[in-house]
Amino acid sequence: GAVVSQHPSWVICKSGTSVKIECRSLDFQATTMFWYRQFPKQSLMLMATSNEGSKATYEQGVEKDKFLINHASLTLSTLTVTSAHPEDSSFYICSARTWTKLSYNEQFFGPGTRLTVL
Amino acid sequence: GQQLNQSPQSMFIQEGEDVSMNCTSSSIFNTWLWYKQDPGEGPVLLIALYKAGELTSNGRLTAQFGITRKDSFLNISASIPSDVGIYFCAGPMMNRDDKIIFGKGTRLHILP
Repeated sequence: GAVVSQHPSWVICKSGTSVKIECRSLDFQATTMFWYRQFPKQSLMLMATSNEGSKATYEQGVEKDKFLINHASLTLSTLTVTSAHPEDSSFYICSARTWTKLSYNEQFFGPGTRLTVL
Repeated sequence: GQQLNQSPQSMFIQEGEDVSMNCTSSSIFNTWLWYKQDPGEGPVLLIALYKAGELTSNGRLTAQFGITRKDSFLNISASIPSDVGIYFCAGPMMNRDDKIIFGKGTRLHILP
């Protein structure tokens, strides 16, 4: 159980365009979803925390107008990279947290989306 | 802020060898998490530790929560090719348990 999917798994886009990435919890309801960014050979850095039905909370240094997050349901959160530039090229990973587990800290991670901006 | 220091950064071992890696911090963590990330994939939780001194196993993996709550180690016994990947230690921030901090990772390579 506790499967998180992401779509697409990879995307290539032109500079200046917008890209939407979906994150779904397949077999549980996630009140909170998280978006991370990982540059090559680097660790995961939290970008924002998304609670269903409310505005996302962004980490310091992350532009909320550039990285639009929508968490419309308990099983779906989307990240839209607006006006993408080559420096936005990265591996974007979402995770979802369920409160049904013994450990409320447990986050289940998606497989990631590789974004390449030309 | 809270940081996690992992060592070694990378390891090159022979198949069948045991592996040991650790994670330290200058501040206390109440939970220690060990994840494995395969290339092009998201991290997968291997072991979670919730109590100082706790020693937990998951198959060939063993991890311990340091008694000072400032360190943890992960051991892998009798390594096999599928153990290749990046191992991250992680833990929730003290004042924000929804935010998990990750170490920089230990990259495990297995020589043929």
